[in-house]
Amino acid sequence: QAGLTQPPSVSKGLRQTATLTCTGNSNNVGNQGATWLQQRQGHPPKLLSYRDNNRPSGISDTFSASTSGNTASLTITGVQPEDEADYYCSAWDTSLSAWVFGGGTKLTVL
Amino acid sequence: EVQLVESGGGLVQPGGSLRLSCAASGFTFSNSWMCWVRQAPGKGLEWVASITPDGGEKYYVDSVKGRFTISRDNAKTSLYLQMSSLRAEDTAVYYCADADLVWGQGTLVTVSS
Repeated sequence: QAGLTQPPSVSKGLRQTATLTCTGNSNNVGNQGATWLQQRQGHPPKLLSYRDNNRPSGISDTFSASTSGNTASLTITGVQPEDEADYYCSAWDTSLSAWVFGGGTKLTVL
Repeated sequence: EVQLVESGGGLVQPGGSLRLSCAASGFTFSNSWMCWVRQAPGKGLEWVASITPDGGEKYYVDSVKGRFTISRDNAKTSLYLQMSSLRAEDTAVYYCADADLVWGQGTLVTVSS
């Protein structure tokens, strides 16, 4: 099954704003938006946002998600050292009847 | 507290079988699409299988079709993954998840002789 496209790495200075992107097609990201997950080293994935900026309880509003066409974005406002992690996007693909993932973006906080 | 707890992982020989379980609590399990996702050592996330709330529809990644079976028991608020004909490439941490709500902590499956 085809996956979503994410840049392998992004680096940002402390307190800067990071924008991570995720590109799919009209059958997945363009259909229902994307889900975003954060995975710190040695920890399980943590849900940050689902289906276009729906944040689960307890997730800081410094994380915001959006979609434009077939590209989803996750914006982290004022990055902190604890935001250093791998970030994955995912979406249900209605054509494949499969859940597709991006390869992940490693965010480094300088 | 919304929670998913996996169990059943371990070391198994190639060709062997294993059954993973996932206990849900703190939310209405019977309303949730549920799935299994795995992560091989040092790799990204890979979707394995999904099941509809009533268990009537099941979906699998091509690499596990015919070998893995996802199921659920809404009365016991539990999700399962029966794995057979296991291969070395199935070695991974297996997570159960409600994609719109919560992920579990994962259980490690190692396929090796």
